[in-house]
Amino acid sequence: AQTVTQSQPEMSVQEAETVTLSCTYDTSENNYYLFWYKQPPSRQMILVIRQEAYKQQNATENRFSVNFQKAAKSFSLKISDSQLGDTAMYFCAFMPAGTALIFGKGTTLSVSS
Amino acid sequence: KAGVTQTPRYLIKTRGQQVTLSCSPISGHRSVSWYQQTPGQGLQFLFEYFSETQRNKGNFPGRFSGRQFSNSRSEMNVSTLELGDSALYLCASSLSLNWALSGANVLTFGAGSRLTVL
Repeated sequence: AQTVTQSQPEMSVQEAETVTLSCTYDTSENNYYLFWYKQPPSRQMILVIRQEAYKQQNATENRFSVNFQKAAKSFSLKISDSQLGDTAMYFCAFMPAGTALIFGKGTTLSVSS
Repeated sequence: KAGVTQTPRYLIKTRGQQVTLSCSPISGHRSVSWYQQTPGQGLQFLFEYFSETQRNKGNFPGRFSGRQFSNSRSEMNVSTLELGDSALYLCASSLSLNWALSGANVLTFGAGSRLTVL
């Protein structure tokens, strides 16, 4: 079975600091996408960043970047210069060809001032 | 540009009843997917529709069904509700089929419909 594991149920960080959320996945597929979604208390699931498995270069979106290690099946999210608005639950998700998104259980991130 | 709209946002039902949830995708998006979110099971895929046809289905009982209309709007129905059906039901739309593995397969989610079964 294809699975996504987020080993950190909760994390906390101070404003302006950097935090890294971990994610590993299990698959025998070679073509797939990886995503990080953010779900704030408002419940709206928002795409943070996307990575194509065939691309070696790590994706970046402003303060958000990933460390994609295909051989290790690892896909961590780094948030730089954390802001109060980053407080949310973060889901790592994996989409193999021919199927839907498979989500991890999520990491609750709290950013404090 | 309007986002994905889900109605109703909140609803309360009793066991044995049935419920219909609606999802209007982003204009131009032809694929609609449904996910169930619970504290215990997390986010689980229900089904995906594209061009009014169910293209993919998750591991849920037949009480869960859906459909898509010609304007890409989608509905899902849950019959004979059980307490365990209490959840946040999320709809997501995308330009093409999720497994197309093109640049267009990013899912945009709605705010969800919170169903409570008593």
